[in-house]
Amino acid sequence: RKEVEQDPGPFNVPEGATVAFNCTYSNSASQSFFWYRQDCRKEPKLLMSVYSSGNEDGRFTAQLNRASQYISLLIRDSKLSDSATYLCVVNDVDAGNMLTFGGGTRLMVKP
Amino acid sequence: NAGVTQTPKFRVLKTGQSMTLLCAQDMNHEYMYWYRQDPGMGLRLIHYSVGEGTTAKGEVPDGYNVSRLKKQNFLLGLESAAPSQTSVYFCASSLAGSGYEQYFGPGTRLTVT
Repeated sequence: RKEVEQDPGPFNVPEGATVAFNCTYSNSASQSFFWYRQDCRKEPKLLMSVYSSGNEDGRFTAQLNRASQYISLLIRDSKLSDSATYLCVVNDVDAGNMLTFGGGTRLMVKP
Repeated sequence: NAGVTQTPKFRVLKTGQSMTLLCAQDMNHEYMYWYRQDPGMGLRLIHYSVGEGTTAKGEVPDGYNVSRLKKQNFLLGLESAAPSQTSVYFCASSLAGSGYEQYFGPGTRLTVT
């Protein structure tokens, strides 16, 4: 069983739409949670950290549900430039506390 | 400000050949990592280092070796390349452990024929 699971998509949405991605993780002891963004044929870059109380950065909102062991990312008013793959990332306390990356969810925003 | 750089960007090897991938960072980060990314598999950790002179195995270390002789450099070696090692290799660095942002290099696309 993968440590971090994501729906690979693709999610095809029109500009201006609201889209939500979920991610589940298997280790209840995990403490660090992130969303990274990866453009086609580029390196991953940090989009935002995910805090227990939930956090917002402009059009992006991240939420953590520890009881159900899932993380969500909500994107409001989607832009063409939001088209990318979004990676859910969780620390793996059983593997030297290194980060484990989900397979990514691909988002395509259409005009 | 270069951040994390990787050389080479592309390489084609024949089965059994060896090569070294170089990663350099100019942010004075303690931690450095090597990942491979394959379609549908996500990023998988090969080896990592928590400081100069130290290395440790990640999730998929077989067939690879690493060295961290200088804080700013992290080398990944393939002693005898196999087609299964065809992948995109990313190096990353972070100030400290898992709670800190990882900064990635642009990647190396390796094909083993």
